[in-house]
Amino acid sequence: DGGITQSPKYLFRKEGQNVTLSCEQNLNHDAMYWYRQDPGQGLRLIYYSQIVNDFQKGDIAEGYSVSREKKESFPLTVTSAQKNPTAFYLCASSRSGNTDTQYFGPGTRLTVL
Amino acid sequence: DQQVKQNSPSLSVQEGRISILNCDYTNSMFDYFLWYKKYPAEGPTFLISISSIKDKNEDGRFTVFLNKSAKHLSLHIVPSQPGDSAVYFCAASGGAGGTSYGKLTFGQGTILTVHP
Repeated sequence: DGGITQSPKYLFRKEGQNVTLSCEQNLNHDAMYWYRQDPGQGLRLIYYSQIVNDFQKGDIAEGYSVSREKKESFPLTVTSAQKNPTAFYLCASSRSGNTDTQYFGPGTRLTVL
Repeated sequence: DQQVKQNSPSLSVQEGRISILNCDYTNSMFDYFLWYKKYPAEGPTFLISISSIKDKNEDGRFTVFLNKSAKHLSLHIVPSQPGDSAVYFCAASGGAGGTSYGKLTFGQGTILTVHP
């Protein structure tokens, strides 16, 4: 059945290490997104991609990088330059980058020790 | 600058009664609005949406109302059920071709608790 998968569910890393979060979708959606959620806050957009091989910075892109080599995959790398990386990361996709509804994956909880 | 605000951090309602969750926005370019429901440590689940050309959209127990002049939307859940207990986020998107093309701006969320 179709959906968005994120792995792993929980991730622990030492400070100063880069880490890559996986996001895969089999919904044949063109657009994909990465959000971050912190306690008591809404979701904030990190990066988004409306089509393969193209992506744009969101509101809080500093310290993050992405790639979109395949339609199904949109991995997010949290680099050592991200000052406060511990958070809940959510990946989403939509049919197009227009006003289509975004559907979310289950999320990855990243804890940097 | 918080463009989408949910001013009530929490709401407590008795089972069977109506739950009303509110959301205000400041950006007049927003023309598509959504409500998501979220459980802890899970991704948000889409509930219902409304385009700015409408003032009401209904789906089963869920109804969203949009008041463009007041830049306000609300989600009504009738009747409320204990399984509705979750965090509810409103989100807004700008129109196609705008600088916010495809991007959602979220409110901070409201924790709804429905008591049996």
